Amino acid sequence: AQRVTQPEKLLSVFKGAPVELKCNYSYSGSPELFWYVQYSRQRLQLLLRHISRESIKGFTADLNKGETSFHLKKPFAQEEDSAMYYCALVTGGFKTIFGAGTRLFVKA
Amino acid sequence: NAGVTQTPKFRILKIGQSMTLQCAQDMNHNYMYWYRQDPGMGLKLIYYSVGAGITDKGEVPNGYNVSRSTTEDFPLRLELAAPSQTSVYFCASSDHGGSVTGELFFGEGSRLTVL
Repeated sequence: AQRVTQPEKLLSVFKGAPVELKCNYSYSGSPELFWYVQYSRQRLQLLLRHISRESIKGFTADLNKGETSFHLKKPFAQEEDSAMYYCALVTGGFKTIFGAGTRLFVKA
Repeated sequence: NAGVTQTPKFRILKIGQSMTLQCAQDMNHNYMYWYRQDPGMGLKLIYYSVGAGITDKGEVPNGYNVSRSTTEDFPLRLELAAPSQTSVYFCASSDHGGSVTGELFFGEGSRLTVL
């Protein structure tokens, strides 16, 4: 079955602390994974995609096929990182399925 | 740039009523999608379209219908509304189906309550 699991509904860290948002997937094909973010009163938007191996706003995510994971990491969290984060998997080339999301709260 | 526009933003329906959620995009994207998001859950795909005149069911299509007569518009029709359809609905579009080089562009969402 195709599935994206984000085990934490809420993650609370202090400003300047490292943060890791977990994502595990289940997919028999070659995975195409993304992280989307929704800031308060804004639309859901793409944060980063695994194929690009990029760092966006200090966030990185590495695809680990052995562990079927795509965790999102940032070494030093900022207050403006507080948002809802969704891990997403593209199946069949064009259908995106989403995890339940993790709300990140960065405390001052 | 308008991007993806959804209307209405909020709506309250009575059980058994019908309504249409409108979605329009001005990016000339071929792929369009409707998702619903229930509290504490991820986005579930209702219907999708890979181009004008072509639609197909997603994970949770029951109780909904769609049409795609133009590239720009992808309305979602709710027939005989039920409390289980209380949710936030998101429309999205993509030029490459969301894979590899593409990404999903979302509307602001429509919050629907069925009482």
